[in-house]
Amino acid sequence: GAGVSQTPSNKVTEKGKYVELRCDPISGHTALYWYRQSLGQGPEFLIYFQGTGAADDSGLPNDRFFAVRPEGSVSTLKIQRTERGDSAVYLCASSPAGNTEAFFGQGTRLTVV
Amino acid sequence: GEDVEQSLFLSVREGDSSVINCTYTDSSSTYLYWYKQEPGAGLQLLTYIFSNMDMKQDQRLTVLLNKKDKHLSLRIADTQTGDSAIYFCAESILSWAGSYQLTFGKGTKLSVIP
Repeated sequence: GAGVSQTPSNKVTEKGKYVELRCDPISGHTALYWYRQSLGQGPEFLIYFQGTGAADDSGLPNDRFFAVRPEGSVSTLKIQRTERGDSAVYLCASSPAGNTEAFFGQGTRLTVV
Repeated sequence: GEDVEQSLFLSVREGDSSVINCTYTDSSSTYLYWYKQEPGAGLQLLTYIFSNMDMKQDQRLTVLLNKKDKHLSLRIADTQTGDSAIYFCAESILSWAGSYQLTFGKGTKLSVIP
């Protein structure tokens, strides 16, 4: 595709449920990032992948959050036992190896009710 | 730790210049960025500057960097109604993991009055 694609664009879930958010990066981009943007705030770093491995997961808020990228392309962010405080826009970005320009997707707006 | 600060609101008249300011704290920043976010949309990279530069111009956009004061500004010449959006300043530092992790400010909401 032409850009970073994220699905779904909106997700409403009940407190305590499990959710998966998908990111399809730009073809050939080896670096992939997840960010979380709460209302009225700037995006905050969650996790970074270089290829298939999570090279830096220091931004994940707790062990309910997990992300995978099994084939070095599509990534899935997984949130267990969702809480209302998890409500935010989850943004994915990708970039070529060693490149400082990160291209962002449109985001997934997660609402936990 | 890193901290990026911006004023929250700016209002200008169509055709005037807009100047959005940002301060950052981490002197090891390698690149500094300006992103634009329109309602319901993702982040669009507008421009960026390497930390050893002091100015970059790209059409209507001028970025000024004062590394001594850790101050970054974005000037938009001949501001148009389509420039109304939230503008985020961000710094990147090459992390121990090899990532260019971005730290964002809270964003400046630019309103352009016709």
